[in-house]
Amino acid sequence: GESVGLHLPTLSVQEGDNSIINCAYSNSASDYFIWYKQESGKGPQFIIDIRSNMDKRQGQRVTVLLNKTVKHLSLQIAATQPGDSAVYFCAERTNDYKLSFGAGTTVTVRA
Amino acid sequence: GAGVSQSPSNKVTEKGKDVELRCDPISGHTALYWYRQSLGQGLEFLIYFQGNSAPDKSGLPSDRFSAERTGGSVSTLTIQRTQQEDSAVYLCASSSYAGGDQPQHFGDGTRLSIL
Repeated sequence: GESVGLHLPTLSVQEGDNSIINCAYSNSASDYFIWYKQESGKGPQFIIDIRSNMDKRQGQRVTVLLNKTVKHLSLQIAATQPGDSAVYFCAERTNDYKLSFGAGTTVTVRA
Repeated sequence: GAGVSQSPSNKVTEKGKDVELRCDPISGHTALYWYRQSLGQGLEFLIYFQGNSAPDKSGLPSDRFSAERTGGSVSTLTIQRTQQEDSAVYLCASSSYAGGDQPQHFGDGTRLSIL
């Protein structure tokens, strides 16, 4: 079946640097995408979302980019902080309600 | 409360026992979802509720799994005759409604361990 996947399972980044987390999706009919952050022992926390009719959206220290041509999604975190260490999931909505998740990227911030 | 509340936070039980997991969604959210997350994995969709009805139960792994929602609010996920492969984190999410620009907001899950 179609699913969302991530390019890299782990990412190590120096505190203060910018982070880029990538995600490839395969369902061209998906109309809505979400990035979640999951800390150990917690549920996924909403970070930012983007509709398929947009190619960029910015939040506080985060930017999501969507390239529908190559079915690629990325999350950029500016000035990465220790509190950004977590597992990051991208999710695509394949119908009105069902989210399909990738396996996640573990981000570790080095002091 | 302000967020999605799940209970218990942890559950350890013996193989063959029944377990019931509870989810209290964000107040006013009509859509409710259950997912399962196995160790180190992404989330697997189980079931979706719109109000009290469940239009999509396709993700339930077997007939040992069932879920209900009453009063358009609290939902329970029941697993009968638990097996060791049922061990996972069970996550509940809710959204204002399904579709549109309505992100799903998750609780912290119930960590289920089957001995």
